[in-house]
Amino acid sequence: SYELTQPPSVSVSPGQTARITCSGDALPKQYAYWYRQKPGQAPVLVIYKDTKRPSGIPERFSGSSSGTTVTLTISEVQAEDEADYYCQSADSSGTYPVFGGGTKLTVL
Amino acid sequence: QVQLQESGPGLVKSSETLSLTCTVSSYSISSGYYWGWIRQPPGKGLEWIGSIYHSGSTYYNPSLKSRLTISVDTSKNQFSLKLSSVTAADTAVYYCARGDRYYDSSGTKGDAFDIWGQGTMVTVSS
Repeated sequence: SYELTQPPSVSVSPGQTARITCSGDALPKQYAYWYRQKPGQAPVLVIYKDTKRPSGIPERFSGSSSGTTVTLTISEVQAEDEADYYCQSADSSGTYPVFGGGTKLTVL
Repeated sequence: QVQLQESGPGLVKSSETLSLTCTVSSYSISSGYYWGWIRQPPGKGLEWIGSIYHSGSTYYNPSLKSRLTISVDTSKNQFSLKLSSVTAADTAVYYCARGDRYYDSSGTKGDAFDIWGQGTMVTVSS
């Protein structure tokens, strides 16, 4: 079955830039989507179609894509950004969603 | 704004069928979008279970397909999940979500789950 690979954890100090990667063979063909999930809450979409931000998501959040890897970048990290982040894409047909294993972002 | 709310038993016995319903408010399911179920075992990541289009077309996670039925009731503006022969491995928070499917000239490009329910915890007991 198709898999997306994320690092289990990323740590940054406040004000620095956090970069979370997601790798998968079908990523050159499919869009990537990113979600933020805080403890006890439902996930929230923060990036769609690789690079687009939904309304209400700060400009500090950005997405990029290069080959089989997509990256979520959070600039000027704040304590409130501490959360689990999940990438999501689809298999090569585009029909079946797949989630990455998630990355815990720790703000030191 | 559009809201989704899961409902159903919080405790299911092993080997029985897990049944959940998602009620959508402030948007008519029959107007479009895909409607999906995603689950999260305690302390673990997200797993897509399956999705349904307002027309009734369904897409199931291959690993769950043999036990899974997702249906839609447009008259009640609800969609439902039934997972049979459950085991402890099915213990999870179950979310319903709206899926916005994207396309380009090359075809389907996946779904963004842009609105989620709050989730409901389902425990499978022996």
